[in-house]
Amino acid sequence: DIQMTQSPSTLSASVGDRVTITCRASQSISSWLAWYQQKPGKAPKLLIYKASSLESGVPSRFSGSGSGTEFTLTISSLQPDDFATYYCQQYNSLPTFGQGTKVEIK
Amino acid sequence: QVQLQESGPGLVKPSETLSLTCTVSGGSISSYYWSWIRQPAGKGLEWIGRIYTSGSTNYNPSLKSRVTMSVDTSKNQFSLKLSSVTAADTAVYYCARDGMTTVTEGAFDIWGQGTMVTVSS
Repeated sequence: DIQMTQSPSTLSASVGDRVTITCRASQSISSWLAWYQQKPGKAPKLLIYKASSLESGVPSRFSGSGSGTEFTLTISSLQPDDFATYYCQQYNSLPTFGQGTKVEIK
Repeated sequence: QVQLQESGPGLVKPSETLSLTCTVSGGSISSYYWSWIRQPAGKGLEWIGRIYTSGSTNYNPSLKSRVTMSVDTSKNQFSLKLSSVTAADTAVYYCARDGMTTVTEGAFDIWGQGTMVTVSS
């Protein structure tokens, strides 16, 4: 199976900061990558699919890029509602998730 | 809009079979793939498997020997059975729409709220 590795595991940031999370795949997954946001006690929410397509209703401060084995999720200006854990997920083959990146208040 | 709701026992004894059902409301279950995903407390997400409304399935190789999924289109429901459970199967279990036949082409675009299942005697 394809392993997904996210970095960093934890990120401390302030409101208004530009935040970048990286996800690396153990082999090429083309652009078959999704990003999710999860808040405590809630189900994950789809943010980005096919590496860079914004899910309907998701604020435009979220963006995704990359292809092959290296991908990034960027939040252009961090808002109070964005403090959460973020997961990447590949669907080039049977789905696998990264271990998550927690974005916490600095 | 489409909503998903998991249901089933919150407590299962070791060595027994965990059984959960996901009910789809606000839309048809047909012509979509549906997945189960779980999350132990404080840990990451693990995909368990998916089922298409024809009944075809794919399972996580690490769980394949213990997993059975089924679908009942007349009730707009799909189900998960996980046999021979141990404490390691204690987790929040989510059902989700697997977007293989949607614009996302495979991302999980709709999720249930999740149900906590504890394996304990």
